Amino acid sequence: AQTVTQSQPEMSVQEAETVTLSCTYDTSENNYYLFWYKQPPSRQMILVIRQEAYKQQNATENRFSVNFQKAAKSFSLKISDSQLGDTAMYFCAFMKLTQGGSEKLVFGKGTKLTVNP
Amino acid sequence: DTAVSQTPKYLVTQMGNDKSIKCEQNLGHDTMYWYKQDSKKFLKIMFSYNNKELIINETVPNRFSPKSPDKAHLNLHINSLELGDSAVYFCASSQYGPYEQYFGPGTRLTVT
Repeated sequence: AQTVTQSQPEMSVQEAETVTLSCTYDTSENNYYLFWYKQPPSRQMILVIRQEAYKQQNATENRFSVNFQKAAKSFSLKISDSQLGDTAMYFCAFMKLTQGGSEKLVFGKGTKLTVNP
Repeated sequence: DTAVSQTPKYLVTQMGNDKSIKCEQNLGHDTMYWYKQDSKKFLKIMFSYNNKELIINETVPNRFSPKSPDKAHLNLHINSLELGDSAVYFCASSQYGPYEQYFGPGTRLTVT
């Protein structure tokens, strides 16, 4: 079974600075997908970024980028120029590629990020 | 327009009651899911349906029964509610395959 570990339960950063959230995972699969989801106080789950394991290039979305190290099974999220609206729980998630159709997300326990003014 | 909607958003009920949570998506997706988020914010898959067919059924008490009348709807019925069922329940949907899952706003269930 796949497991996802987020070793930082809480982090804080000053507005406009850069912060990196860690995520490691355990799997014997070769084809899979990794995600970072954000959950602000509103409770809504919002996709931040997605990475395909077969792609060596790290995914980026504006101020959000990942450092994907497949051999090390590491998938960290870097947030540049942090904004107050980035305050949220951040969940790392793993999805394996199957032929079955439905693809479940396996989540880490989350990192609570606070951006301070 | 809301992509994935859930009703109700809040549900307070007593132990032993039976309750349902409804979910609808207007994204044209084939696959829908139920996730449970516990008091420590941990999210875990419960069920998934693909075109009205049950695909994933994790280790969930059989008091929980999902029903999909059509591919745009996935409801969750819970019998004989227990204190430990208190949680936030999220519905999600996606296209067939390893694509982004779009989540509903969640239903906070409180069992007293």
